[in-house]
Amino acid sequence: EADIYQTPRYLVIGTGKKITLECSQTMGHDKMYWYQQDPGMELHLIHYSYGVNSTEKGDLSSESTVSRIRTEHFPLTLESARPSHTSQYLCASSDLSGSYNEQFFGPGTRLTVL
Amino acid sequence: GNSVTQMEGPVTLSEEAFLTINCTYTATGYPSLFWYVQYPGEGLQLLLKATKADDKGSNKGFEATYRKETTSFHLEKGSVQVSDSAVYFCALREVNTGKLIFGQGTTLQVKP
Repeated sequence: EADIYQTPRYLVIGTGKKITLECSQTMGHDKMYWYQQDPGMELHLIHYSYGVNSTEKGDLSSESTVSRIRTEHFPLTLESARPSHTSQYLCASSDLSGSYNEQFFGPGTRLTVL
Repeated sequence: GNSVTQMEGPVTLSEEAFLTINCTYTATGYPSLFWYVQYPGEGLQLLLKATKADDKGSNKGFEATYRKETTSFHLEKGSVQVSDSAVYFCALREVNTGKLIFGQGTTLQVKP
């Protein structure tokens, strides 16, 4: 069983609010990822990190930002939420050294911006 | 660029029916291939994987074979159960970057 956690699981918030989605893993994985999952279920990589102080933009442009100050923690922040940010956000992690590089996923945060 | 294409859903089957979900890919080099499953309200779980041509991944009665000649990784199960109802994602791991590229997902509904 994967030890990767996301909070909150559900968030409904008004336009213009600043929000932070939390993601933590206890597996000591170096790599962490954020995906945005649209209503059609397709997954888009929006941020990833290879380790502490490393952050990269993913394949889908996003107005969110991320930080990686500790290995186990990879929060995602939206400075000013908008209805277009309404989506499911999935966090994942993987071991740099693993031959399969399997990604373990958290349960997701479903964000609704009114 | 690299990409994964899955058959469109939803796929609706009766219990004990045979399942095939098609997946084809376009990639540089020889990527590792994966099937992930997402149950309602949950994150993705790795279902099975294969790292080289002709490898067969299997788990929980599901299996998929890495076919380099047809660039495919079709998911099959001989007898589905209601509990298999979920969204299934095919994915490849990019050789150069290690990133996962996902297909669009296929919803499976199994009726009793």
